[in-house]
Amino acid sequence: GAGVSQSPSNKVTEKGKDVELRCDPISGHTALYWYRQSLGQGLEFLIYFQGNSAPDKSGLPSDRFSAERTGGSVSTLTIQRTQQEDSAVYLCASSTGGGLAEAFFGQGTRLTVV
Amino acid sequence: GQQLNQSPQSMFIQEGEDVSMNCTSSSIFNTWLWYKQDPGEGPVLLIALYKAGELTSNGRLTAQFGITRKDSFLNISASIPSDVGIYFCAGGDSNSGYALNFGKGTSLLVTP
Repeated sequence: GAGVSQSPSNKVTEKGKDVELRCDPISGHTALYWYRQSLGQGLEFLIYFQGNSAPDKSGLPSDRFSAERTGGSVSTLTIQRTQQEDSAVYLCASSTGGGLAEAFFGQGTRLTVV
Repeated sequence: GQQLNQSPQSMFIQEGEDVSMNCTSSSIFNTWLWYKQDPGEGPVLLIALYKAGELTSNGRLTAQFGITRKDSFLNISASIPSDVGIYFCAGGDSNSGYALNFGKGTSLLVTP
């Protein structure tokens, strides 16, 4: 597609369950970011992928969070043993990379942990 | 990441008025970006700034990269109802990694 695509758009899960969130970046974009947006807050950086380099995981809030990017394209963010404080909108963005460049965001996945 | 200080938190204005919002950081950045987010959507880039002192316009929007490299402002002239949304600033420093640091946003409401 023309833009960044995220799925699902909404996810309700029970506390303690694992969830997987998917991001399809813009074709040809080598950089991919995951951000989290809690209600009334700005965006919180989670993880950054650039080409074949080791990802910058410095924003992951705990070891329950992990992400991978297969074949330099699609990325999956996994949250294990979800907690209520994990409820937020998870946004994916991609860019042309090569340093800081304009990142284009997907619509996000709204995660609700009940 | 570092949380930027963005103000005001919200604005309620009449159509036709000009709007100004700003962002400050305790760290030096070499990139400032301004985004707009509509409900249920991801942020959309409005303006990107790459040089201290740079002043860039995009239609009714004007943004500046502060000379100290620790601040930026966004102005919207002659506001219209579709300007409603949340505006975010984002700063980054390629020397400290490639992650963007975001402000908490300015919520703009425009009445006809």
